[in-house]
Parts: sequence; C-alpha cells; structure tokens
Amino acid sequence: DAGVTQSPTHLIKTRGQQVTLRCSPKSGHDTVSWYQQALGQGPQFIFQYYEEEERQRGNFPDRFSGHQFPNYSSELNVNALLLGDSALYLCASRGQGDGRTQYFGPGTRLLVL
Amino acid sequence: QQQVKQSPQSLIVQKGGIPIINCAYENTAFDYFPWYQQFPGKGPALLIAIRPDVSEKKEGRFTISFNKSAKQFSLHIMDSQPGDSATYFCAASGGSGGSNYKLTFGKGTLLTVNP
Repeated sequence: DAGVTQSPTHLIKTRGQQVTLRCSPKSGHDTVSWYQQALGQGPQFIFQYYEEEERQRGNFPDRFSGHQFPNYSSELNVNALLLGDSALYLCASRGQGDGRTQYFGPGTRLLVL
Repeated sequence: QQQVKQSPQSLIVQKGGIPIINCAYENTAFDYFPWYQQFPGKGPALLIAIRPDVSEKKEGRFTISFNKSAKQFSLHIMDSQPGDSATYFCAASGGSGGSNYKLTFGKGTLLTVNP
C-alpha cells in the first residue's frame, strides 16, 4: 500500500513564476492538507481539502490556491513566486477511520531564485 | 503569534540516555497533541499522540506526559539509540469545525544521540 506521494521531489523557479505541486493521498484517504515548511522551522498549515472544496485555510495570501480532484488527489498552486516561498511543501492525508491522524508525504523542495 | 512553543532547539545525548523535549501551548481549544519525527529529506512521521483526558501515554520507548493545567506536554525517549537522531516536532489541533484537523507545529528539536 503506497503512502502519500508527491511530485515533483525538487523544483527550481524564478521570482514571478507560477508553480504547481501535486499530491496523491494514501489509499482510502479523502482529506488532503498542505503545509509549508521553511528551513529550520515547523510545518505551517496552508489549507485543507475535502469533497473537492477548501474547508480550512491558514494565514497564507491568495497567491496560494489549491484543488482537489474526484479521485482525492490534490494540487497546490503558487502564483507570482517570491524568494520567501522557498520551502519544503508537504501534503498530508487522512481517512474517515483515522480519527485525527494525518500521514505526511515526503514533500516537494521548492527553490525560488 | 506562535501558538505552540517547543524547547530546546537542539539536544545531544549519549546512547541509552533519556532526552526530554518540552512544548507549551496557548489555545485552550486544542485537544489533540501529536509528536512527529522527521529525518532529513523525509516528511514528518507520527510517533505518538495524546488527548488531554490522560496525563501520560507510552508507546514502546516513547512517552508523552501531559499537564492540562499548565498547558504543557513533553516527549521522553527511553534508552535512546543513534537511530533516534532526527528532528522532533510537537503539534496541536482542536477547535470548531475543520480546526480539528489543522495542525499547529512547534519549531522543532534537533536530537543527536551519540554512540
């Protein structure tokens, strides 16, 4: 059983560009959350998707947007990239039978130059 | 506003020692407190979690102690091994609606266990 998978593993962009990151949740999971982890910091909650809708959002600007597909996979889009967007972007999934437990993927390392 | 404060920032112990990592929270709506372990280049992995209705929980060599009145909780690692060397994060969640699944993390503790 594959866990949470994310693609790509690494990405280099320049300021002002747009980026799309992808996440496939653990089998049987229907809720996906995205987190940003800056170097040396704990992950920060960006938003959560359930039933293809954004259910909760953290303190991130509208440049950060997302989408969830009918197969529960998800995308994170970031527009107008800033140097400060360089971070590890983590996807976490949970299923209805998991209570509060969330399972994290390996992340996508984004570097903005 | 940092809602979960974690200390120390880094910790070095000898093999067999008992490292202790502490966290304090501010939001009284929090009612779920997990600890995650993260190795370089990997995503965080859940170690153990506790609810505020118990004061202690053990799973293998990992123990969480919880003090609801002080709004503090800590992780103890018994008989630590070099393979435990990693970054440890405490987290919390709770509140109305979807806040139950919105994790707020501490800044992390880099643990080194020397052979």
